[in-house]
Amino acid sequence: AQTVTQSQPEMSVQEAETVTLSCTYDTSESDYYLFWYKQPPSRQMILVIRQEAYKQQNATENRFSVNFQKAAKSFSLKISDSQLGDAAMYFCACHITQGGSEKLVFGKGTKLTVNP
Amino acid sequence: NAGVMQNPRHLVRRRGQEARLRCSPMKGHSHVYWYRQLPEEGLKFMVYLQKENIIDESGMPKERFSAEFPKEGPSILRIQQVVRGDSAAYFCASSRDGKPYEQYFGPGTRLTVT
Repeated sequence: AQTVTQSQPEMSVQEAETVTLSCTYDTSESDYYLFWYKQPPSRQMILVIRQEAYKQQNATENRFSVNFQKAAKSFSLKISDSQLGDAAMYFCACHITQGGSEKLVFGKGTKLTVNP
Repeated sequence: NAGVMQNPRHLVRRRGQEARLRCSPMKGHSHVYWYRQLPEEGLKFMVYLQKENIIDESGMPKERFSAEFPKEGPSILRIQQVVRGDSAAYFCASSRDGKPYEQYFGPGTRLTVT
């Protein structure tokens, strides 16, 4: 079974500092995509960053970057120069294709607090 | 360029009533996915539909839950005889042909069963 594990239920960071959120996953697929989603109090799911498993280069989006370690099945998110607006739940997810179906498998989330 | 629309945003039902949740995918998207988020949990896959077809309903409870995506109109997630444990946020996502990994999420429907 495909699983996504986020081992940090909560994290906090000082404004302007850097924080790293951890994620490990388990899939038997060879081709898959990994994502980080942000969920603010409004509950809207906002895509932060995407990584294709076949790409060795780590994805970056402005202040957000990932450390993708395929052999270790690890996919951490680094937020640089943290801002108050970064405070939210962050979910790691893996997209899998299996038996004609497509689905996202999510971790349980990490609640990020940004302290002024 | 409207995104994925869900309505209602909030729905309150008494135990035993029926809940109908609607999802209109983004323009040009013919694939719809429903996910459920229980309190303090991540999203869990429920069902994947294409127009007039259920592709995968492996995440949906066997009883009381059903979903459809008709040729015309929105996708509907229907929960019959709701129980307190059905209280959750229900999210719909959609994608276009050839890009199932690019799923765009709606704002969700928060169902409260009293």
